[in-house]
Amino acid sequence: GENVEQHPSTLSVQEGDSAVIKCTYSDSASNYFPWYKQELGKGPQLIIDIRSNVGEKKDQRIAVTLNKTAKHFSLHITETQPEDSAVYFCAWGADGLTFGKGTHLIIQP
Amino acid sequence: EAGVAQSPRYKIIEKRQSVAFWCNPISGHATLYWYQQILGQGPKLLIQFQNNGVVDDSQLPKDRFSAERLKGVDSTLKIQPAKLEDSAVYLCASSLSPGLAGYNEQFFGPGTRLTVL
Repeated sequence: GENVEQHPSTLSVQEGDSAVIKCTYSDSASNYFPWYKQELGKGPQLIIDIRSNVGEKKDQRIAVTLNKTAKHFSLHITETQPEDSAVYFCAWGADGLTFGKGTHLIIQP
Repeated sequence: EAGVAQSPRYKIIEKRQSVAFWCNPISGHATLYWYQQILGQGPKLLIQFQNNGVVDDSQLPKDRFSAERLKGVDSTLKIQPAKLEDSAVYLCASSLSPGLAGYNEQFFGPGTRLTVL
């Protein structure tokens, strides 16, 4: 099976600070790397994604970086706000997605 | 634009009983996925349909789970008989055909929370 790691499992930051979540993957065929946000009682929602031919992508306060050589990618959230509190999942795949185990992000007021 | 619809939202059954979940994808989305999300874990792909054909069902426990998408739109996922370890949230997702979009952005429904007693 595929070996996947997502760190940390829980992350608590002060409002306004930055948060970084990291994932590593093992499947060399993966060419698509999305990040999903899941709030309690809801399905995952795509917040940003990156394809294998790009090293970095930014959308307002959210950015994703990809290192294909090292097989890891990271989610960066700047100027965190209370509504950023949720569980975040990394995922990867060429078609069907494999998900990480999730990071519970807590924004402290 | 309407999102992915799922029903029921909650279901409680006893072990060895049967249960079925329904999913209506976003209009025009050819690809449909069923995921199982156990508490505290990420979603795990069970089965992927392209129109009414199965693309990947390698992680579907076929001795008790079945799924169909007969007309290439709605889909049902069935468990018969259920076991305690089937307690989870069952998520349906849909996407445009990956070939058309270049990548498969998946849109998820709210899920069905199944509790097996």
